[in-house]
Amino acid sequence: NAGVTQTPKFQVLKTGQSMTLQCAQDMNHNSMYWYRQDPGMGLRLIYYSASEGTTDKGEVPNGYNVSRLNKREFSLRLESAAPSQTSVYFCASSPGVRVSQPQHFGDGTRLSIL
Amino acid sequence: AQSVTQLDSQVPVFEEAPVELRCNYSSSVSVYLFWYVQYPNQGLQLLLKYLSGSTLVESINGFEAEFNKSQTSFHLRKPSVHISDTAEYFCAVRPRGGSGAGSYQLTFGKGTKLSVIP
Repeated sequence: NAGVTQTPKFQVLKTGQSMTLQCAQDMNHNSMYWYRQDPGMGLRLIYYSASEGTTDKGEVPNGYNVSRLNKREFSLRLESAAPSQTSVYFCASSPGVRVSQPQHFGDGTRLSIL
Repeated sequence: AQSVTQLDSQVPVFEEAPVELRCNYSSSVSVYLFWYVQYPNQGLQLLLKYLSGSTLVESINGFEAEFNKSQTSFHLRKPSVHISDTAEYFCAVRPRGGSGAGSYQLTFGKGTKLSVIP
């Protein structure tokens, strides 16, 4: 089925390790996003890419880097993982950034930092 | 800046009973409003949205929400719930106009877990 694919689905890291979360969409969308979801906190935007070749910070970018590898793929990197980054990470995509173009979400990556 | 308050973290309701999930927001600018639904171990799906026009918006599966500007609310309702409606529901806002990260960003509430009891 068409959609947003995130890998891996689960990961456990030790403090200080690095990790890249992968996201790919096959809907030919221009815009992609990374969110984190914490219990009782809703979703918070980490980074987004309005179009291929551009990336910008969201609400909570500290401790993360992103790469828009091509139109399909948008990766999120933790250079030195910290326990505070234990969360569920969601990638989303949309045709563009206009409000009439809703975001489509992947199923999430559950990340635990020990 | 915007903020969204979902007043109830959990709402249990019997099957075929009506339900209302409450959402209030705060913003210094006009906003667009959304409800998303998240089924267990899945990502979020857009349920309905208010962009302009009629303040009452409906989804294909029987949910509706009404934008009340004076009360800054966007409550979600369904007259008769089904077991399959068990999920977590998120209210979200996005500012109208502008450019850059602030204008693209959805601000989410903390979510309301709806449990439908057989």
